[in-house]
Amino acid sequence: GAVVSQHPSRVICKSGTSVKIECRSLDFQATTMFWYRQFPKQSLMLMATSNEGSKATYEQGVEKDKFLINHASLTLSTLTVTSAHPEDSSFYICSAKIGLAGDEQYFGPGTRLTVT
Amino acid sequence: TQLLEQSPQFLSIQEGENLTVYCNSSSVFSSLQWYRQEPGEGPVLLVTVVTGGEVKKLKRLTFQFGDARKDSSLHITAAQPGDTGLYLCASHQILHSGGYQKVTFGTGTKLQVIP
Repeated sequence: GAVVSQHPSRVICKSGTSVKIECRSLDFQATTMFWYRQFPKQSLMLMATSNEGSKATYEQGVEKDKFLINHASLTLSTLTVTSAHPEDSSFYICSAKIGLAGDEQYFGPGTRLTVT
Repeated sequence: TQLLEQSPQFLSIQEGENLTVYCNSSSVFSSLQWYRQEPGEGPVLLVTVVTGGEVKKLKRLTFQFGDARKDSSLHITAAQPGDTGLYLCASHQILHSGGYQKVTFGTGTKLQVIP
């Protein structure tokens, strides 16, 4: 149980275009989902916390207009990288929490974004 | 903002050796998780520790939570090549009474076990 999927696993796009990444909880309802960014050989950096039915909470330094997050249902959150640039190339990982209680998160397999 | 420092940053050892990874914070953890991540994949949860002084064992891995809940360690006995990966500690910090939890990951320890 507690499986989280991400789609796509890899995406290459041209500079200036937008890319949407989906994060789904497959066998549970996730009231809270998190989006992280990870550069090579580095740790995960939290970008935003997404709560179903409400606006996402962005971490300091993360542009909310550039990284659009939508959490329309209890099993789906999307991250759209708008007007992507090469410096947005990174590994994007989502995670989900089961309900409101407990601290454990379950991570998706990640999406490798390359902007050319 | 809670900072989690892990040490060492990199570790390359021979198969069969023992090792310890440390995770230290400037403030108290409400709980702490250890994850292992392989290249191109998401982190996989290994353990959650909650109580100060707690020790948990997972086969050859031993996790310890400091008495003051500001530090934790991961000890691997007789390391195997399959233990190779990025080890991350993570903490949850409740920011306000509404229950919003900020998750902070440690700086990471990259372990390579050489056959």
